[in-house]
Amino acid sequence: QLRLVESGGGVVQPGGSLRLSCEASGFTFSAHAMSWVRQSPGKGLEWVSFISFDGKNEYYADSVKGRFHVFRGNSKNTLFLQMSSLSPEDTGLYFCARDSAFWTPTWYFDLWGQGALVTVSA
Amino acid sequence: DIVMTQSPATLSVSPGQRATLSCWASQSVGTNLAWYQQKPGQAPRLLIYGASTRATDIPARFSASGSGSDFTLTISSLQSEDSVIYYCQQYDVWPLTFGGGTKVEI
Repeated sequence: QLRLVESGGGVVQPGGSLRLSCEASGFTFSAHAMSWVRQSPGKGLEWVSFISFDGKNEYYADSVKGRFHVFRGNSKNTLFLQMSSLSPEDTGLYFCARDSAFWTPTWYFDLWGQGALVTVSA
Repeated sequence: DIVMTQSPATLSVSPGQRATLSCWASQSVGTNLAWYQQKPGQAPRLLIYGASTRATDIPARFSASGSGSDFTLTISSLQSEDSVIYYCQQYDVWPLTFGGGTKVEI
């Protein structure tokens, strides 16, 4: 069964850090690029970051550049998002999402996790 | 950034009727456009990619068209389970951007 399961969400104070994980199963994780997409009531869906299948290429939304770092452990079928200098504007449900193709990304997503809730509040 | 605008924000449709959702891009994205469906409490589900190609296991009542800046998603005969939120996403230019969504209600 194809599956992505996020974990690591929680409540953190402004300026704090948090690491999200996304465990993949049921498919060849190492063959797919992955992205993080977040959803907040005020902003809808917002793409956050991308990492290529081999981890060699990373892209970030301007809103998180320099604060977030995406990386992956292909041997453990896990995607990570290290978030630092968090602000209330980072509050939202964070989804990991699989790029639809092997190796060369298509930039749209055919498998999503259920999301990890991040709340940044004092 | 390319701004994706969806209209209407809410669409009321009777069961069995046709629903037509629109998505506009602030600049041309060619056919690099996807549609997603999101049910309450669930992750988005890919419906359409390449502006008009149905994803795997998507029912034929869902169809889409358009290119450039103007796109349409049509649900030919609305069923109760289709009464959820739909998003468009452009993937022509970084950063990837989504529309604000259209809520379809019965």
